[in-house]
Amino acid sequence: NAGVTQTPKFRVLKTGQSMTLLCAQDMNHEYMYWYRQDPGMGLRLIHYSVGEGTTAKGEVPDGYNVSRLKKQNFLLGLESAAPSQTSVYFCASNMKGLAGGSEEQFFGPGTRLTVL
Amino acid sequence: QKEVEQDPGPLSVPEGAIVSLNCTYSNSAFQYFMWYRQYSRKGPELLMYTYSSGNKEDGRFTAQVDKSSKYISLFIRDSQPSDSATYLCAMSGMDSNYQLIWGAGTKLIIKP
Repeated sequence: NAGVTQTPKFRVLKTGQSMTLLCAQDMNHEYMYWYRQDPGMGLRLIHYSVGEGTTAKGEVPDGYNVSRLKKQNFLLGLESAAPSQTSVYFCASNMKGLAGGSEEQFFGPGTRLTVL
Repeated sequence: QKEVEQDPGPLSVPEGAIVSLNCTYSNSAFQYFMWYRQYSRKGPELLMYTYSSGNKEDGRFTAQVDKSSKYISLFIRDSQPSDSATYLCAMSGMDSNYQLIWGAGTKLIIKP
């Protein structure tokens, strides 16, 4: 099993450009998440999905959109990139737990995005 | 005030020392408490998971939860250079819709 994979690993964008980050998992997990990680801020939830075809906003959703057309894939889009979106982006997934998804989340290796 | 507070460090200790990492939180409804370890340029991975109060031990690692004080700890015995990483606490409960609320992470350096 590959677990959780993310594409691309690195990207440099100019302000105003758009891009899509792809997350894929082969563990048949129901729940998927997009986080951003900034120095001193920990992980902040951008958007998440509790199943195929569903998405919901997290703590910091502005400037991002997501789609979950297939159970195994979760896409994060930046329509018009801004320097404030320079960050490391992590995708995670987990099974639907007894308490609705509170158990272990499995993370991808991250995407390092720089917006100039 | 953040819901979960964690000293970012760095915390530097000699090899073999006992390490204590801590988080405080404000939401009394949190029930699930986790410690994740993150090596440089990698994604976090689950290290310890505790439900409600009490202690849990796994090898050199012990997790403690004190719900009355809203305080959780991770102890590492006989610390090794390979333990050098960032340790993130995370917790959830009904109030957070069971979404994980994360601490900022503590960077730990074990000196050989």
